[in-house]
Amino acid sequence: EPEVTQTPSHQVTQMGQEVILRCVPISNHLYFYWYRQILGQKVEFLVSFYNNEISEKSEIFDDQFSVERPDGSNFTLKIRSTKLEDSAMYFCASSSLAGGGNEQFFGPGTRLTVL
Amino acid sequence: AQSVTQPDIHITVSEGASLELRCNYSYGATPYLFWYVQSPGQGLQLLLKYFSGDTLVQGIKGFEAEFKRSQSSFNLRKPSVHWSDAAEYFCAVALYNNNDMRFGAGTRLTVKP
Repeated sequence: EPEVTQTPSHQVTQMGQEVILRCVPISNHLYFYWYRQILGQKVEFLVSFYNNEISEKSEIFDDQFSVERPDGSNFTLKIRSTKLEDSAMYFCASSSLAGGGNEQFFGPGTRLTVL
Repeated sequence: AQSVTQPDIHITVSEGASLELRCNYSYGATPYLFWYVQSPGQGLQLLLKYFSGDTLVQGIKGFEAEFKRSQSSFNLRKPSVHWSDAAEYFCAVALYNNNDMRFGAGTRLTVKP
């Protein structure tokens, strides 16, 4: 069964460093998403991406964040200068169609720890 | 304001007992409704979803959920809990024209032997 994969599973970085979180969405999906979950808190939407453009983003997704689909398979989330409060689990998701009615398939997540 | 509420942070049930996890939403229109499960160290797995039609929906692993418009609720149920059901459960909602899925805070389920 196709699945979303994410690498690395755990990333530790120093405050102020740049990190890139990688995702491989399901191959025939066209819509891609990033969510984050700070420890003990709810899962929060960051951004959605379609046709090489951001389609929606939340207030969390500020200028420190960027997303990219550098090739036909990967979807990345970059945090330019990490802060302590960026420590969280980051989930990538993909869907075949847009809109809230379409199931988003989630990856296992990358745990980011900022020291 | 639009919101998803899961009133129970942590629930403990005995194996074999029935389970009900509560979810309430506050949206202008009826959103699409989902239940996801997250086992430790794992991603989010979809249990079931409601779009329209029959208000009682069946999902995987023996779970079901009932949509009640009058109560703005979408509670998850299972008649007999198994030890492997111990996990975090998230209710989520989305609007038709919006990719922004909103999650509740989650309910952690502990299953006693």
